[in-house]
Amino acid sequence: GQQLNQSPQSMFIQEGEDVSMNCTSSSIFNTWLWYKQDPGEGPVLLIALYKAGELTSNGRLTAQFGITRKDSFLNISASIPSDVGIYFCAGLGRRGSTLGRLYFGRGTQLTVWP
Amino acid sequence: EAQVTQNPRYLITVTGKKLTVTCSQNMNHEYMSWYRQDPGLGLRQIYYSMNVEVTDKGDVPEGYKVSRKEKRNFPLILESPSPNQTSLYFCASSLSRTANHRDTQYFGPGTRLTVL
Repeated sequence: GQQLNQSPQSMFIQEGEDVSMNCTSSSIFNTWLWYKQDPGEGPVLLIALYKAGELTSNGRLTAQFGITRKDSFLNISASIPSDVGIYFCAGLGRRGSTLGRLYFGRGTQLTVWP
Repeated sequence: EAQVTQNPRYLITVTGKKLTVTCSQNMNHEYMSWYRQDPGLGLRQIYYSMNVEVTDKGDVPEGYKVSRKEKRNFPLILESPSPNQTSLYFCASSLSRTANHRDTQYFGPGTRLTVL
């Protein structure tokens, strides 16, 4: 399968700090997605990116689709305790047997201290 | 309410005892898939289905079977479970199988399986 490298693997931050995480791939994707997983739940879509260079915001979250189409970044500003969870990047396959399939990074575990 | 449901949510079983995890969606989605989540490995796709009676292997299909006899249901079958199949399993669905975007995948709540 296609490999997505997500970093950092974990983060421990103070409430109010900003957070950055990124994802790189050896393959090109036309769509990048960022999901959040709360404990005991399935992943929920946060942001979807559809064009190279695109910068999209969702509240305190901002994500960018890299111009090479092989990377993406997620930033969280002014973190709060409910931001705790695992964040996953995912690329959406674009052709042949990969069409429509999601390829996930290994996740970033975020812990926010009050 | 639009949702993907899975049953059971938790299951402890023994090696070799056949089991089925059910998945159902009420959104009339064509595309359904199963993932397993293991610590440090993220989510890996087991099987997927583009429509009724159409299924295909994902990245880690060994030891699993699926069927898609109806559009809304996509059960995951472990004929002879082994301890290395202890994992957290997610079912997901989307409207169709496209590289185009707005067809986001919706995930079920997960099934935590332990094989002793």
